[in-house]
Amino acid sequence: EIVLTQSPGTLSLSPGERATLSCRASQNVGGNYLAWYQQKPGQAPRLLIYGASTRATGIPDRFSASGSGTDFTLTISRLEPEDFAVYHCQQHGNSYTFGQGTKLEIK
Amino acid sequence: LQLQESGPGLVKPSETLSVTCTVSGDSISSSNYYWGWIRQPPGKGLEWIGSLYYSGSTYHNPSLKSRVTISADTSKNQFSLKLNSVTAADTAVYYCVPHRGKGATDVFDVWGQGKMVTVSS
Repeated sequence: EIVLTQSPGTLSLSPGERATLSCRASQNVGGNYLAWYQQKPGQAPRLLIYGASTRATGIPDRFSASGSGTDFTLTISRLEPEDFAVYHCQQHGNSYTFGQGTKLEIK
Repeated sequence: LQLQESGPGLVKPSETLSVTCTVSGDSISSSNYYWGWIRQPPGKGLEWIGSLYYSGSTYHNPSLKSRVTISADTSKNQFSLKLNSVTAADTAVYYCVPHRGKGATDVFDVWGQGKMVTVSS
């Protein structure tokens, strides 16, 4: 099983700042099949990114992602108030596993 | 494509948890999707449980495989999850989620609203 470790566990930033979230895999993610999701309290997750770097339909371009192999990054260029949420990474190169999540909170 | 989970919200330890997903906007008999289940314990991360393909093939998380049954009722356009011998650790929100099954787009881009199931006596 591929274990995904997200860091930091909690990120405290202010609106307008840049957020950088990390997702590290215990082994190479086949095909770089790595996705990112945003989840707000009481809601289901929303797909942001797939294929390590492709934004899903309707996702603003302030969200970008990169990475390959075992190291992946999600960047939010300028935080909007609605971006404060929990972010999950997920791999589907070998079955399906998720990271434990990064909580992005308002500083 | 829309999905709606339903089922008991409270299950006793050692019994069987059952959640049903009603699908609208596509047929679960089509080859367009795999029909999956994901759960999330309160305050914790997401866990893929398993998926069903229209052919009847099922795929499970190895950590849960022996306790999981996923089946379909094509007449109602529903698919269901059964998890037996439950404990408090199975308390979670259960989501039904379609996915493509292969390739870069094999991701979870449509989610049901989730069904909270508590295991308690």
